Formats: sequence, C-alpha cells, structure tokens
Amino acid sequence: EVQLVQSGAEVKKPGESLKISCKGSGYNFASYWIGWVRQMPGKGLEWMGVIFPGDFDTRYSPSFQGQVTISVDKSIRTAYLQWSSLKASDSAMYYCAKGFRSDNLDYWGQGTLVTVSS
Amino acid sequence: QSALTQPRSVSGSPGQSVTISCTGTSSDVGGYDYVSWYQQHPGKAPKLMIYDVIKRPSGVPDRFSGSKSGNTASLTISGLQAEDEADYYCCSYAGSYTVFGGGTKLTVL
Repeated sequence: EVQLVQSGAEVKKPGESLKISCKGSGYNFASYWIGWVRQMPGKGLEWMGVIFPGDFDTRYSPSFQGQVTISVDKSIRTAYLQWSSLKASDSAMYYCAKGFRSDNLDYWGQGTLVTVSS
Repeated sequence: QSALTQPRSVSGSPGQSVTISCTGTSSDVGGYDYVSWYQQHPGKAPKLMIYDVIKRPSGVPDRFSGSKSGNTASLTISGLQAEDEADYYCCSYAGSYTVFGGGTKLTVL
C-alpha cells in the first residue's frame, strides 16, 4: 500500500527555522517526484516545488524560490521542506504528494499544519 | 506566474451535469496536454480525479471526465451525487514549474 506520512503539527515563532518531513512507503521511492503544496487557511492549493529522489532534480515555483528549500534523503525514503526564517504568513497546511510528473500527484500525505505566531 | 482561472462556484441538482472551466495561457494549459484535476473535501487531503487532460486514475468513477480546447481545460461531472460536493482544483504543467487554479466550490443542491 502506497503511503506518505508527514511529520506532526508545528508551532513556531517568527524568525525561527523549521524542517518538516514526508516519508514514503509502498512504492519505488526513487522513481517518483515528491511535491509540496501549501494551503493557507480558507484558501486554495499552491504548488511550491518538487524533487526527484532518483537524481535530486529540484524545481520550485517562482513564488517560493528562495523562500523554502526542498530536499530528500533516499536512504530513509524521506523528503523535507525547510524554512530558515519563518514569517507569520507561512502559517498554513503543507501537503506532500508523489507523482510521475510534477502535476500528476496521485498519492498525498495527511498534511502538516504549521502555525507561526509570536 | 499566475494561478489558473476557475469560477469560484458552480452548483447542480442530483443527477444533473456540471462543467468547471480552467483557463490558463499558451505557457501552461495551452502548451501541454498535462492538465490534472483534484477534488478536496473539507479537512481532507486533495484527491487526483483526472490527469493528462482526459485520463482517470483507477477507482475514479467514469462520471468524471476532462477535456481541453486551446488555453481552457474543463472538468465535467455527470449524474451529480451528494458526495461530489467539494472543492475542485485544476493544475497544469508549465515546463519548469506547475500551477494550480484558484479552486471551484461545487454545491449539490
């Protein structure tokens, strides 16, 4: 059974760093893109970027380039989304998902809620 | 890059058909046959309903169908059922990145 299991909810202060994770199982982890999608409270889905674990090819939305870092550790089948300095506007639900292409995300994680507040 | 344009809301009665449009540009929707559609119920993760414009993943009812003409893609849901009430998002490959639509709330009357 394909599963993507994300790390738990986080509460952080502005300026703090954060790394959330997404662990895949039940499929060939290296052969599918892992994407990250933001959903701010009451708002729509926003495509942030993707990484291909097989060769570490990483692509970002222009809106998120330089704001976050996407990485992967193939040895533990885990992808990451990282911030170096959080802002209140980063408060959102973050989903990871896998797909054979960056737009074709067929399995999704349960989401990680990030709250940034002073 | 801008989000793809979708109507904010559509509605239909059980058994009817509804169509949700998704308008982009020649750099995304019009440039590739890589449009997908996602269904999201409140508090749940999105679910892939259509990919590559017209293809349905295993398990998705054939009441859901996709199409594309020029820079506009469409999702049609026929034989509306109560459980179809949800938010729907289109998504298009755009070369070096991918973009979602703003989302459409489907209400089943």
